[in-house]
Amino acid sequence: QSALTQPPSASGSPGQSVTISCTGTSSDVGGYNFVSWYQQHPGKAPKLMIYGVTKRPSGVPDRFSGSKSGNTASLTVSGLQAEDEADYYCCSYAGTNNYIFGTGTKVTVL
Amino acid sequence: EVQLVESGGALVQPGGSLRLSCSASGFTFNNFALHWVRQAPGKGLEYVSAVSWSGDSTYYADSVKGRFTISRDNSKSTLYLQMNSLRPEDTAVYCCVKDHSGSYFDYWGQGTLVTVSS
Repeated sequence: QSALTQPPSASGSPGQSVTISCTGTSSDVGGYNFVSWYQQHPGKAPKLMIYGVTKRPSGVPDRFSGSKSGNTASLTVSGLQAEDEADYYCCSYAGTNNYIFGTGTKVTVL
Repeated sequence: EVQLVESGGALVQPGGSLRLSCSASGFTFNNFALHWVRQAPGKGLEYVSAVSWSGDSTYYADSVKGRFTISRDNSKSTLYLQMNSLRPEDTAVYCCVKDHSGSYFDYWGQGTLVTVSS
């Protein structure tokens, strides 16, 4: 299976919003409400930011939100802050213990 | 505090073998499935393998099926990945990842680097 499609980059000024898309198929993103998003700073392990399409783990700022429409999921970061600059990966369950990651998006805070 | 600490990464020649370990603490180890996810240098995340809480059920990505074997020792709170017939394209940082309810990954280790090169 191919990786989920994300834009290579996204950017915004401090305080602005940025939205990252994650496009799959009806066999993964569209077929399950098991989309999660991970933030990765350089040299660090990925960190869970969103799970179950829209849910935020405790400790994740409410500036981060998730949504899904059809085969495309989205992560929105509102009120961008310098520490939000990182790589972001979506991930979807694809059945039978299989998971697929997105291609990754580098978010730059201008 | 949940901790996942990988070890065993090394430089190995194509066709060689390596065994990775992941020592876990801070949670009830035998209650959760575990996964391996890898990241090639400068590339994105790739899902590799999974093992159920009991060790009875396993899953492998097509790219490693038949070459890698995942296992766990619940008495030692340790996850393993036996890697055989290694290829240059297996070069990556391998991360041990804790499952939450079978739908997402809630904790990640820092990873261990495997380099396959002659």
